[in-house]
Amino acid sequence: EVQLVESGGGLVQPGGSLRLSCAASGFTFSSYDLHWVRQATGKGLEWVSTIGTSDDTYYPDSVKGRFTISRENAKNSLYLQMNNLRVGDTAVYYCARANFLGLRMYFDLWGRGTLVTVSS
Amino acid sequence: DIEMTQSPSSLSASVGDRVTITCRASQSVRDYLNWYQQKPGKAPNLLIYGASNLQSGVPSRFSGSGSGTDFTLTISNLQPEDFATYYCQQTYNLPQLTFGGGTKVEIK
Repeated sequence: EVQLVESGGGLVQPGGSLRLSCAASGFTFSSYDLHWVRQATGKGLEWVSTIGTSDDTYYPDSVKGRFTISRENAKNSLYLQMNNLRVGDTAVYYCARANFLGLRMYFDLWGRGTLVTVSS
Repeated sequence: DIEMTQSPSSLSASVGDRVTITCRASQSVRDYLNWYQQKPGKAPNLLIYGASNLQSGVPSRFSGSGSGTDFTLTISNLQPEDFATYYCQQTYNLPQLTFGGGTKVEIK
């Protein structure tokens, strides 16, 4: 079955760290760009990070310098290392696979998400 | 960054209605515009990509149109399973991709 499954969420204090994982199956993992997207309770979707097939990485200013995305193709796994966490980072974190129509990118596969709660 | 503004933020409709949701970009995104449906407690699900291309497996009552800065998602003959929140997403200004704020479709 083609799927993404996140894990690693939980409760962490402000200033703490957490590492999320996303396990992929059913497709050629190494051939796809991958992303993390988050959603605070009752709020909209926010892009968090991207890693390309060549391990190029990208972040919005809101997490740059605190979050690190990585991948391990041999294990079909995507990671998000989150350091110096803030209360505002509290959200469900989704991993997503990117596909393309020409140069037009879209997310055609999403995981179910993992909840990160930053609170004292 | 390109800002994406959806309207309305919520709407009430009845089964069988035709529903239109609008997404406006702060600058042209050509047709690099996608639509997703999200139900409570679930991950988003791709409906439309490249502004007007229907994702495989998505019912044909969903359609998308537009280019440049103005886009529309139309649901014809609204069904009970269509009550959800809908998001647009631009992927023109990579790597900085952005989503609209969402439109919640509720039962009248």
